Amino acid sequence: QVQLVQSGAEVKKPGASVKVSCKASGYTFTSYDINWVRQATGQGLEWMGWMNPNSGDTGYVQKFQGRVTMTRDTSISTAYMELSSLRSEDTAVYFCARPGYSGYDSENYYYGLDVWGQGTTVTVSS
Amino acid sequence: SSELTQDPAVSVALGQTVRITCQGDSLRSYYASWYQQKPGQAPILVIYGKNNRPSGIPDRFSGSSSGNIASLTITGAQAEDEADYYCNSRDNSGNLVIFGGGTKLTVL
Repeated sequence: QVQLVQSGAEVKKPGASVKVSCKASGYTFTSYDINWVRQATGQGLEWMGWMNPNSGDTGYVQKFQGRVTMTRDTSISTAYMELSSLRSEDTAVYFCARPGYSGYDSENYYYGLDVWGQGTTVTVSS
Repeated sequence: SSELTQDPAVSVALGQTVRITCQGDSLRSYYASWYQQKPGQAPILVIYGKNNRPSGIPDRFSGSSSGNIASLTITGAQAEDEADYYCNSRDNSGNLVIFGGGTKLTVL
């Protein structure tokens, strides 16, 4: 079945970097973008950016510019999100997600994330 | 930048109908998608586009929109529908994705 499987939990010290992986299976990895979304405990969903696995093109929320890097290895159908200069506020669950429903009908555009990874908990603590 | 606004909490009696709303300028150009999230789990897409349900989503979930307001309606709410619900769309530029703050649905 179509799924995204993420790497395990990480504990990092402030100032360090973390790299989370997201392995796709059950579909052609290069056919859909990968989005990254994070969620701090008790908070809402926060979109971080996207990557096109085919071209490697990326787009990041300005808040994370300079600290986040999204890459991929197409040979193993895996996307990566690396966040550097970690601080306590980066403690969160990080999700990858696929925009399986994206397009335009006769009236409006639509963009739906239909497949999500299970989430990776990143804890930043001294 | 665009924002999507949701009511923080809504409650509904078991078996009754509830509407959860999402407001934002980007919704004039983009349909909202809706996600259900239960504690400790990843979000699940329940509605996308004008009113489309992914496979496996019960037909008691429906979506609608008018102007800059999108709505998720649950007709005959069940106990298992108690969850947080998030809307999202692209922002006005089309380059970014935005989420609403989420609505906590309680089924009484």
